[in-house]
Amino acid sequence: NAGVTQTPKFQVLKTGQSMTLQCAQDMNHNSMYWYRQDPGMGLRLIYYSASEGTTDKGEVPNGYNVSRLNKREFSLRLESAAPSQTSVYFCASSEAKYARYTDTQYFGPGTRLTVL
Amino acid sequence: EDQVTQSPEALRLQEGESSSLNCSYTVSGLRGLFWYRQDPGKGPEFLFTLYSAGEEKEKERLKATLTKKESFLHITAPKPEDSATYLCAVQARTKEYGNKLVFGAGTILRVKS
Repeated sequence: NAGVTQTPKFQVLKTGQSMTLQCAQDMNHNSMYWYRQDPGMGLRLIYYSASEGTTDKGEVPNGYNVSRLNKREFSLRLESAAPSQTSVYFCASSEAKYARYTDTQYFGPGTRLTVL
Repeated sequence: EDQVTQSPEALRLQEGESSSLNCSYTVSGLRGLFWYRQDPGKGPEFLFTLYSAGEEKEKERLKATLTKKESFLHITAPKPEDSATYLCAVQARTKEYGNKLVFGAGTILRVKS
């Protein structure tokens, strides 16, 4: 089991460029999440998908879009990158389909994005 | 608003010098509190889940405890390989779908031999 995988590992963009971050999990989990991590701040939720076919905004969704392609894959798209989006992006997954019990999230290795 | 505060921001210990990391939280109904370990350049790695005040969990040199307002991660006789950032997160009771976590900023632990 690879767990949660993310591509690419590193990316440098110019302001205004677009890109898609890919995430896949092989644990048959229902829920998937995208976070960003900035120095001195906790991980902040961008978007999540509680089940295949559904997506919802998290704490900091502006400037991002997501697609839950199937049960395994959840992508994050930056349509017009800005320097404020320079960050480390983590994808996570968890088993629960509904928020009715405590559920552990498992994280991928991250994508380090720099926007010039 | 749900909040998590971790202290200290950074901690330097000598090998074998025991200490504790603190995670204080305010949440509208706690479903669970999580501890993760994060090595440089890696994603967070799950350590513990605590569900209710008074609960304790142990793993090797680590012991996590929970009260109604805070959690402690006790490190007994640490080794250099325990050096990492330790993250605390809470999961609140919510009517919405999705098990959203609120994270603290983390404590950076350095253990010198």
